[in-house]
Amino acid sequence: AQTVTQSQPEMSVQEAETVTLSCTYDTSENNYYLFWYKQPPSRQMILVIRQEAYKQQNATENRFSVNFQKAAKSFSLKISDSQLGDTAMYFCALPTLQGGSEKLVFGKGMKLTVNP
Amino acid sequence: NAGVTQTPKFQVLKTGQSMTLQCAQDMNHNSMYWYRQDPGMGLRLIYYSASEGTTDKGEVPNGYNVSRLNKREFSLRLESAAPSQTSVYFCASSTTGQLTSGNTIYFGEGSWLTVV
Repeated sequence: AQTVTQSQPEMSVQEAETVTLSCTYDTSENNYYLFWYKQPPSRQMILVIRQEAYKQQNATENRFSVNFQKAAKSFSLKISDSQLGDTAMYFCALPTLQGGSEKLVFGKGMKLTVNP
Repeated sequence: NAGVTQTPKFQVLKTGQSMTLQCAQDMNHNSMYWYRQDPGMGLRLIYYSASEGTTDKGEVPNGYNVSRLNKREFSLRLESAAPSQTSVYFCASSTTGQLTSGNTIYFGEGSWLTVV
């Protein structure tokens, strides 16, 4: 079964610093996607970044980038120049296909606090 | 654009009462999902529907029933609410066959349910 593990329940960082959120996963698929979602205090789920396993180049979206290590099944999120608005829960997610139906498996999340 | 709409946003129930959470999407998506979010547990899939007329159990289906009324609507029913069902519930939708191709899932704003 596909699983997603986020082992750090909580982190804090000072504004303007860089922080890395870790995620490991398990899948039997050869090609797949991985996602990071952000959930601010409003509870809205926002897609931050996605990575295709076949692509060797790590995905980047402005201040957000990933360090994707396929062999190690590791998918960490790096936030550069942290801003107060980055304070949120962050979820790593893996799409799975089971019995012809797709679903999204989430990690338990990590609470990030950016301090002024 | 409404996207995914959930009602109600807040509800307090007494143990043993029943209620239905409503969800509708206007993006012509085939797949719809119900997740619950609890502290330290991430988002766990309750039920999902790959297409109109089909529903499948997710990770935590006990105590819930669902109805895929039509392509737009997917409701979640608690027949006899228990305090363990106190949670935030999220409805989501996606284009079938697209999650594993890198397309995102779209979430509603969440429904806060408290069972006392």
